[in-house]
Amino acid sequence: AQSVTQLDSHVSVSEGTPVLLRCNYSSSYSPSLFWYVQHPNKGLQLLLKYTSAATLVKGINGFEAEFKKSETSFHLTKPSAHMSDAAEYFCVVSDLMEYGNKLVFGAGTILRVKS
Amino acid sequence: DAGVTQSPTHLIKTRGQQVTLRCSPKSGHDTVSWYQQALGQGPQFIFQYYEEEERQRGNFPDRFSGHQFPNYSSELNVNALLLGDSALYLCASSYSGLAGGSYNEQFFGPGTRLTVL
Repeated sequence: AQSVTQLDSHVSVSEGTPVLLRCNYSSSYSPSLFWYVQHPNKGLQLLLKYTSAATLVKGINGFEAEFKKSETSFHLTKPSAHMSDAAEYFCVVSDLMEYGNKLVFGAGTILRVKS
Repeated sequence: DAGVTQSPTHLIKTRGQQVTLRCSPKSGHDTVSWYQQALGQGPQFIFQYYEEEERQRGNFPDRFSGHQFPNYSSELNVNALLLGDSALYLCASSYSGLAGGSYNEQFFGPGTRLTVL
């Protein structure tokens, strides 16, 4: 079965400094990987997706992630944090089922941005 | 396009009661998946509906059941509610028409917050 591990439950950065949210995956086949963001009392929003194309994936709001097969990692980065980035971030892998696919979520990383 | 919609937004029930949550998929989508997000955890897959049938199920008891209607909307029913069923219930829709791939992007609704007292 597919799984993801988010290495940090909480990350705190100052506004204007880089963001790094770490994720490792486990997959028996070439995975489809995603990062979702969840703001308080809001639904999940897709930030970016990796589906076997370019290993460096650019998403919305300046976020990007790099798929590294040798390290089984898919870390999320942003060069400069903004106050509005404060939210919970989920690393997600798509797990093929007999029919269709389901999403398998990591435990989440809460990002705090200090002014 | 209204995106994925869910109702109600919030719900309070007592132990032993039954609850029904509703979901309307994004226009053009034919598949609905349900997820449970307990406080402080990532969402967990409950089941998926396609062509009005449950085609896959996660590790949830039979108290959790669902339905999909001809217009692709879906309901999640939970019987004999337990305190542990308190969670945010998320509906996600996707299109199953892509052939052969592992990836069918799922779009999430805002969720229904269920509190069991």
